Amino acid sequence: EVQLVESGGGLVQPGGSLRLSCVVSGISVSGNYMTWVRQAPGKGLEWVSVVYAGGEIHYGDSVKGRFTMSRDNSKNTVFLQMKSLRPEDTAVYYCARGPNLDVWGTGTTVTVSS
Amino acid sequence: EIVLTQSPATLSLSPGERATLSCRASQSVGSYLVWYQQKPGQAPRLLIYDASNRAAGIPGRFIGSGSGTDFTLTISSLEPEDFAIYYCHQRSNWPFTFGPGTKVDIK
Repeated sequence: EVQLVESGGGLVQPGGSLRLSCVVSGISVSGNYMTWVRQAPGKGLEWVSVVYAGGEIHYGDSVKGRFTMSRDNSKNTVFLQMKSLRPEDTAVYYCARGPNLDVWGTGTTVTVSS
Repeated sequence: EIVLTQSPATLSLSPGERATLSCRASQSVGSYLVWYQQKPGQAPRLLIYDASNRAAGIPGRFIGSGSGTDFTLTISSLEPEDFAIYYCHQRSNWPFTFGPGTKVDIK
């Protein structure tokens, strides 16, 4: 069974940084396409970033230049390093698997507020 | 960026009725269109991928159709557990994007 478990969320001040983790079991992150998606309170889904099996990474326009996605194959984990955080980055952050996002974690909550 | 527009924003129906949800893309996404269902407090659930293919375990009452810029998700006969928010998602062009969602609620 494929499982994704996110962690690392919390309360951070505007301008601060946070690193999210997504520990994956049941599949190898190195051979899979992994995605971060976020959802602001009471709002819809927003695509954040993707890392392909070959290592290519792409970002959504609202996070480009501030967020960095990476993976550690030895830990079977993907990360989202978030810098220069803004109140509008407040959201539940999900990681998901594959081109069709067929498996999702339960999410981790990030709150950006002073 | 490809903009996805979903209509209607809210659909009020009764169990047993047919639901027709629309997703329109600002430019062609080919067949790279995906549908998800989300219930309160839960992560989204994959329903349909590549415009018309049901994901594993998804009941046959969920039917996806369309290509290019116009897509439809049809729920042939609503069950009580189908009342939720439905999102479309394009994975054709970066940045990938989601539609704003259609809420299907009980009339």
